[in-house]
Amino acid sequence: NFMLTQPHSVSESPGKTVTISCTRSSGSIASNYVQWYQQRPGSAPTIVIYENNQRPSGVPDRFSGSIDTSSNSASLTISGLKTEDEADYYCHSYDTTNQWVFGGGTKLTVL
Amino acid sequence: QVQLVESGGGVVQPGRSLRVSCAASGFTFRNYGMHWVRQAPGKGLEWVALIWYDGSNKYYLDSVKGRFTISRDNSKNTLYLQMNSLRAEDTAVYYCARRGYSYVLDYWGQGTLVTVSS
Repeated sequence: NFMLTQPHSVSESPGKTVTISCTRSSGSIASNYVQWYQQRPGSAPTIVIYENNQRPSGVPDRFSGSIDTSSNSASLTISGLKTEDEADYYCHSYDTTNQWVFGGGTKLTVL
Repeated sequence: QVQLVESGGGVVQPGRSLRVSCAASGFTFRNYGMHWVRQAPGKGLEWVALIWYDGSNKYYLDSVKGRFTISRDNSKNTLYLQMNSLRAEDTAVYYCARRGYSYVLDYWGQGTLVTVSS
């Protein structure tokens, strides 16, 4: 099995851009799609990026995703930060044995 | 509209059993794979188990294999998680979630809290 490692927290000012990383411990990041979920306090998670870089309908284009095989990591980038973006963000992937794995989560503070 | 409503959580002693349920509505339940995901208090998300749309295949987090059983009753539109030999580290909010398109969990319930404590 593999692990997904995220920074514990990031912070940035409104209007700026922030990037959250997600590093896969073993196996190639490109082997299986990466998803990103947003979770606000007291609520269930909602999807913001799927299949590495696809945005579901209703998610602003300020949210984007990418993968980097050289660092074996995925990234979620949020531009034009708004206070409403303040939340926990989780990356997710899976393997061929149907083990689904979430990253430890990153708390985004918009200050 | 799609709704997932969990129930059955509560306080249980270590070593005992508990079954949580997830009632689905607003979609054709038998067409979708379903998952359980848990979140310990103040901690991150942890995937627990998945079951295929027809119940033919089931997969588990290593730490719950042999103790937890995921099942479904498509005639009742209900998903279950039978939890045996519970441990303190199983204390969490348990969410059921629908696997929608691709590898996306597109709808989640509100969660049910399971507390394992003596």
